[in-house]
Amino acid sequence: AQKVTQAQTEISVVEKEDVTLDCVYETRDTTYYLFWYKQPPSGELVFLIRRNSFDEQNEISGRYSWNFQKSTSSFNFTITASQVVDSAVYFCALSAVNSGYSTLTFGKGTMLLVSP
Amino acid sequence: DAGVTQSPTHLIKTRGQQVTLRCSPKSGHDTVSWYQQALGQGPQFIFQYYEEEERQRGNFPDRFSGHQFPNYSSELNVNALLLGDSALYLCASSKKGSYYEQYFGPGTRLTVT
Repeated sequence: AQKVTQAQTEISVVEKEDVTLDCVYETRDTTYYLFWYKQPPSGELVFLIRRNSFDEQNEISGRYSWNFQKSTSSFNFTITASQVVDSAVYFCALSAVNSGYSTLTFGKGTMLLVSP
Repeated sequence: DAGVTQSPTHLIKTRGQQVTLRCSPKSGHDTVSWYQQALGQGPQFIFQYYEEEERQRGNFPDRFSGHQFPNYSSELNVNALLLGDSALYLCASSKKGSYYEQYFGPGTRLTVT
């Protein structure tokens, strides 16, 4: 069984602050993918970043960066210089590959509130 | 290039009724997955369709059923609606073999009264 835990229910920051969203996962698979999705009030899930289990290199993409550590089963996501438009619910997700079909297991989400 | 589309946007049903939700995948995609997102929770996987057959299923009762058509579009049917079925239903499309590309539609918000 797979599990994704997002311990932070809600985070409030002031614009221009950096914010890190935590994600811890459990899986017995050796091949898997990790994702971060953003869900604005409209409800649609917007893909942000993806990392596969064989690549622990941490990267920066614009204001987004992530820290993937297999040793601690963590996949944390950082937004630098937060903006009001970043306010949304953020989901960490894990994709297992089972007989060629992948499905996503989501955490419960972290609500990010960025105030001006 | 149209993304994933879902209809209707909102739906209100009475307990005990049946409902059908529809999803059209992104162009070039052949696999459709359905997720249920209760208020304040993360999406939960219901089932996945490929080549008109259910390939994977999550922990949902048989009241939840689906169908995929030759054009890859899909329907989600829920029978004997319960109040607890009230949720946002999300459809995601992907191409078999692309294990990391799942594109989500805007969802259908179902309210059961």
